[in-house]
Amino acid sequence: QITLKESGPTLVRPTQTLTLTCTFSGFSLSTSGVAVGWIRQPPGKAPEWLALIYWDDDKRYSPSLKSRLTVTKDTSKNRVVLTVTNMDPVDTATYYCAHTAISGSYEGDFDYWGQGILVTVSS
Amino acid sequence: DIQMTQSPSSLSASAGDRVTIACRASQSITTYLNWYQQQPGKAPKLLIFAASSLQSGVPSRFSGSGSGTDFTLTITSLQPEDFATYYCQQSLTIPWTFGQGTKVEIK
Repeated sequence: QITLKESGPTLVRPTQTLTLTCTFSGFSLSTSGVAVGWIRQPPGKAPEWLALIYWDDDKRYSPSLKSRLTVTKDTSKNRVVLTVTNMDPVDTATYYCAHTAISGSYEGDFDYWGQGILVTVSS
Repeated sequence: DIQMTQSPSSLSASAGDRVTIACRASQSITTYLNWYQQQPGKAPKLLIFAASSLQSGVPSRFSGSGSGTDFTLTITSLQPEDFATYYCQQSLTIPWTFGQGTKVEIK
C-alpha cells in the first residue's frame, strides 16, 4: 500500500530555511505519470498547494511562493525534499506531502497523503 | 489564480439527512475538480475526482456533479463519521487552489 511521511523541524526561527523530507513507499517516483506534491495548511484555514515534482523531474511551483521554494527528489531512496527559504511566522502551518498520478489527461487529485508535520515559525 | 468559493461555510445537519455543498470556480475548469473530507487533526481524504468520479473505497452515499464553474458534492443519508470539513480543489491550472471549506456539524 502507498504511504508517505513528512519529517523535519517543528520549530524554525524567522529568516531561517525550512527543509522537509517526504519519505514514501508503495510506489516509485520513476514510474511514468507519478508525482509528489506539497500542500500546507495554516491552523484553522484551508489547504494551500505549494509545489509538485513529476517522475521525469519536471517541477511546478505556486507562483506566489516560487522564489522561496525548491523541490527535489531522490528516486533511489524514495524521498522528496522541499526547502522553503526566509521563513516567516505567516508560514506556520501543517505541511503535507501527497501522491498524485496522471490518468489520461487528468491530474491533480491527491489520493494518498502523509500525516503532516506542524511547523511553527517563531523567535 | 482561479478562486474557489464554497457555500455554505458551515451547516448543521442530523444523521440521515441529505447534504449538498456547492463550489464555484472563478473561471471554467471543465471537470478538473476534486473533493476532500478532512477530520480534525487528520490529512484530507480524497472523495471525488474529475468532478463526479468516486475514489476507490469511498461510500456510494457521496457523489459529485457539475462542470464549468459550478459543482456540487452531495451526501445522501449523512452518517456520524461524515461530520467533518469538506474542501473542493481545482487542478486545471497552476496554482492548484482549494476552496475555503464547508464544516458539516451535528444539529
